[in-house]
Amino acid sequence: NAGVTQTPKFQVLKTGQSMTLQCAQDMNHEYMSWYRQDPGMGLRLIHYSVGAGITDQGEVPNGYNVSRSTTEDFPLRLLSAAPSQTSVYFCASSPGGGQQETQYFGPGTRLLVL
Amino acid sequence: LAKTTQPISMDSYEGQEVNITCSHNNIATNDYITWYQQFPSQGPRFIIQGYKTKVTNEVASLFIPADRKSSTLSLPRVSLSDTAVYYCLVAPGANNLFFGTGTRLTVIP
Repeated sequence: NAGVTQTPKFQVLKTGQSMTLQCAQDMNHEYMSWYRQDPGMGLRLIHYSVGAGITDQGEVPNGYNVSRSTTEDFPLRLLSAAPSQTSVYFCASSPGGGQQETQYFGPGTRLLVL
Repeated sequence: LAKTTQPISMDSYEGQEVNITCSHNNIATNDYITWYQQFPSQGPRFIIQGYKTKVTNEVASLFIPADRKSSTLSLPRVSLSDTAVYYCLVAPGANNLFFGTGTRLTVIP
């Protein structure tokens, strides 16, 4: 299993541009989520999904959209990039998000917005 | 979500046992305590999880007192490769995890 994969590894955007961060998992996990991590900080939840067709907002959802059309994929869209969105983005998955489950994290996408 | 409090940083020499304590005074009955490890430029990685008493795996031990208001992650005989940030999380499951700033452990040769 490849686990959780993310593309691209690194991206530079100009203010106002849009882009999609890709996340895929091959473990047939129902639960997927996106976090952002700013320098020296912990991870903050952006959006999450408990299954295909179901998404919900996390702690910091503004400026981001998600969709979950398949179990495997959970893309994160930046609608109009702002310098405040410069961060490292991590995608994670878990079997169902239930008790005693743990999350598996991808390697991250480093985003710089100029 | 129950919030947690951990030391911001710790230093240890190679070969020593390291204990990182986490305070979670508002832990709920159905919450589990989970510790993650994060190396620079990588995503967090699960280390250990427990509900009460003591849990041990090949990497670490987790001590949880009866009142569950705190927990201690114990890393035996640390090496340089254990230098990382360690996060203590309290939640009923894997959903909607709240990561604080964690504890930055530096292992010194």
